[in-house]
Amino acid sequence: QVTLKESGPVLVKPTETLTLTCTVSGFSLTTARTGVSWIRQPPGKALEWLAHVFWDDEKSYTTSLKTRLTISKDTSRSQVVLRLTNMDPVDTATYYCARLLIYDKGGYYLPYFDSWGQGTLVTVSS
Amino acid sequence: DIQMTQSPSSLSASVGDRVTIPCRASQTIASYVNWYQQRPGKPPKVLIYAASNLQSGVPSRFSGSGSGTDFTLTISNLQPEDFATYYCQQTYNTPHTFGQGTKLEIK
Repeated sequence: QVTLKESGPVLVKPTETLTLTCTVSGFSLTTARTGVSWIRQPPGKALEWLAHVFWDDEKSYTTSLKTRLTISKDTSRSQVVLRLTNMDPVDTATYYCARLLIYDKGGYYLPYFDSWGQGTLVTVSS
Repeated sequence: DIQMTQSPSSLSASVGDRVTIPCRASQTIASYVNWYQQRPGKPPKVLIYAASNLQSGVPSRFSGSGSGTDFTLTISNLQPEDFATYYCQQTYNTPHTFGQGTKLEIK
């Protein structure tokens, strides 16, 4: 059974750095054609994709937060870590991690999220 | 970045209805679209991947269609548990952007 669980602080102060950990089970972070993504959702608003890391350590970040985000993985611990620097109240959101699978459609590779963590609400306030 | 537009942001329907939820991409993205359902207080759940593939375990009343820039999620014979918010997402290239969501409400 595939599970993902987010952990980290529930409250951070403005200008601080947020560090979130996604601990996975039921699959390996080195399995080909898999990855882990981070997505966030401000209260009452839409989903926002933040970053992903693939099995081969390929990484990508959302354009608007590229200078503030870092994603990394520790395969021995089955963990993916997201760091977001210089936190602001607008970064208040539920942060989710999700497993990214790649569907092979005749040589075309189409990614999608098949499993999600329950999410962790992070509030930015002084 | 590719923008995904979902309009309307909400729609009303009754149990037993058939509804279609549209999504438009700002550029052609072949079949690189996924659909997710989100109930209040819960994480999203994938329904359809690669535009038209039904995720295992998802009821067959859900279906997806489209290619290029225009995509549709169709729900036949609406059930009470289907009243939720639906998001499309493109994975043609990064960032893997989501639409703003369509909230399906009970009429």
